[in-house]
Order: sequence, then C-alpha cells, then structure tokens
Amino acid sequence: DAGITQSPRYKITETGRQVTLMCHQTWSHSYMFWYRQDLGHGLRLIYYSAAADITDKGEVSDGYVVSRSKTENFPLTLESATRSQTSVYFCASSPQGINEKLFFGSGTQLSVL
Amino acid sequence: EDQVTQSPEALRLQEGESSSLNCSYTVSGLRGLFWYRQDPGKGPEFLFTLYSAGEEKEKERLKATLTKKESFLHITAPKPEDSATYLCAVDLPSSASKIIFGSGTRLSIRP
Repeated sequence: DAGITQSPRYKITETGRQVTLMCHQTWSHSYMFWYRQDLGHGLRLIYYSAAADITDKGEVSDGYVVSRSKTENFPLTLESATRSQTSVYFCASSPQGINEKLFFGSGTQLSVL
Repeated sequence: EDQVTQSPEALRLQEGESSSLNCSYTVSGLRGLFWYRQDPGKGPEFLFTLYSAGEEKEKERLKATLTKKESFLHITAPKPEDSATYLCAVDLPSSASKIIFGSGTRLSIRP
C-alpha cells in the first residue's frame, strides 16, 4: 500500500522559475493538504482541499497555487520561486475532515537559489 | 495570537530514563489536540488525539494526557528507537489554519 507519494524527493531551482511539487494518494481520502516545515516555525498550512475541484487557502498561501482535478492528486505550484520558499514541503491527507488525524507523505526538500 | 509552545526544544535521555514532553496553548476552547512522531527525513506519523481535559491515551511506552491549558507526552523506560521529534498540534475554534502545530521536541535516547 503506497499511501501518499510525493515527488520529487529533492529539488533545486532558481529564483523566478516555476516549480510543481506532486502529491498522489492511493486511499481515496477526501481531504488533502500542503504544509511547509521550517526550523522554528513548525508545520504551516499552505492550501487544503476538501474534494476534487474544491480548494481553500491556509496560513501561508501567497506565491503558491494548487489544483485538484482528481481525488488522488494534489499538485502544488510555486509560480515564481523565491528564496523564502526554500523549505521542506509535506503533503497530507485525511479521510474524515480538516480537523482530524492526518496521514503525511515523506516530503519534498526544495532549495531555491 | 493563538500559540502552541512545546518544551523542551531538545531532550537527551539515557535508555530507561523516563521523562515528559510538554505542549501548551494560549487560547481556550480547544477542540482537539494531536501528537505526532517525526523521524529524520520522513513525514509526521500520527500517535494520539485528545479531546477533553482529563483524557489519557497510551501506546507502548508513550502516554498522552490533557489538561485545560497543556498536554504532556510521558515516555516510560524509553529505548533508542524512541528517538525522534515529537510534534503536537491543536485544533482551535479561532484558528484560520484549522490546526496549529508546535515546533516540536527533539528526543534522543542514548543506549
């Protein structure tokens, strides 16, 4: 059982470039989330989705775009990467709701030079 | 501003030496508190959910407890494989982010 798969595992890009991080889940969970994790800040919510074609902003959504055309996929795009977006990005899912137990992927470590 | 504070930031214990990790929050009206374990290079893994003061949950050497303003994760007779970062997260009615995570406690158990 694959669960949640994130790709790529590591990514290095340059300031101003567009970058897309992929997230795929095999559980058919309704809810999916994107978090970023930075030292001293804990995990912060970027975007979440309650179902296909339904998305909403989290705490730190500026500079990010998401889509969810299929239940199992939830890609995160950085439209024009900035150095402040260097971080570890985690995708998560939940079968029950936004305030319930989350299942996390292994993360994508993104460096913006 | 809603805040979740975990202490200590880092804790080093000898194998078998019991201790507790703390998670405190500043706003009342908690709807739920979660504990996760995170190993290096991996995503957080769910451990417990607590909903009301006085509630306790146990899993192997871990026991989570909840009061009105804080939660404790007690670790009894830890083993080296318990070394990880432990995160707490709270579900507050006033939180636009839905769930607020603390910065975690890095626990290291020496054999």
